[in-house]
Amino acid sequence: ETGVTQTPRHLVMGMTNKKSLKCEQHLGHNAMYWYKQSAKKPLELMFVYSLEERVENNSVPSRFSPECPNSSHLFLHLHTLQPEDSALYLCASSQDLWGAGVGNTIYFGEGSWLTVV
Amino acid sequence: GNSVTQMEGPVTLSEEAFLTINCTYTATGYPSLFWYVQYPGEGLQLLLKATKADDKGSNKGFEATYRKETTSFHLEKGSVQVSDSAVYFCALTQTGANNLFFGTGTRLTVIP
Repeated sequence: ETGVTQTPRHLVMGMTNKKSLKCEQHLGHNAMYWYKQSAKKPLELMFVYSLEERVENNSVPSRFSPECPNSSHLFLHLHTLQPEDSALYLCASSQDLWGAGVGNTIYFGEGSWLTVV
Repeated sequence: GNSVTQMEGPVTLSEEAFLTINCTYTATGYPSLFWYVQYPGEGLQLLLKATKADDKGSNKGFEATYRKETTSFHLEKGSVQVSDSAVYFCALTQTGANNLFFGTGTRLTVIP
C-alpha cells in the first residue's frame, strides 16, 4: 500500500467510448503525475500537476484529457482512443515536483490496465 | 542531458544466486538515484534510493551504492528468492529537472 490508489484496475473500452481513470493520494503531496507504460518501452511521462496546476504536458494526444480538481485527486479522461493506447497507466505523487528537494521521492499507484478494442 | 541505461534482460537466476543489475547514468548536475520494482500485475514500488555520492541505499536485502566516479548505481542482492521475480527500474531526478528519468527496466526471473 503506497498511499496512491487508482481505479479501475482494469478497463476495456471501445474506440468510440468515453471513460475516465481516477487517482487518489492519501499522502498530503502537492504534485501528481500520469505515466504510460507500454510493453518493451520506457515509462512515458504524460502529465504533471503541481498544486492543481498543470506544469507539464509531454505532447500527449488530445484524446487524453487530465483533470486535477484538488491536490488529492487526479483524473485522466479518455475518448476516441486507439488500440495502440492500450497500456498500463500509472499515477504517482510526490511531496513536491521532482528535484524540488534532494531525495524527493515519487510514489506510484498500482496502475490501471487499459485495453482499447 | 539526463538519462539512465540499464542492462538488458531478461535475467534468469536460480534461488540463492547472487544478483547484479547494472545501471549507469548521465546527468548534468548532482542527481538522486532510485531503484523501483514492479511485481507482476502491479505498479511501481520504491525499492531503495541514494541522494549523494557514496551513499548506499538498502532494502529487503537489496543494495546499491551511488558511485559518482563511474556514474553507476548497480543493484545487488546476495541471495535471491523466487519472490524477487519482478521488473526492476533504475531512475534519477535532480534539482531543476522536470522529470524522473527511468531506465527501460530489467526483468528478473528466479527459479526454484
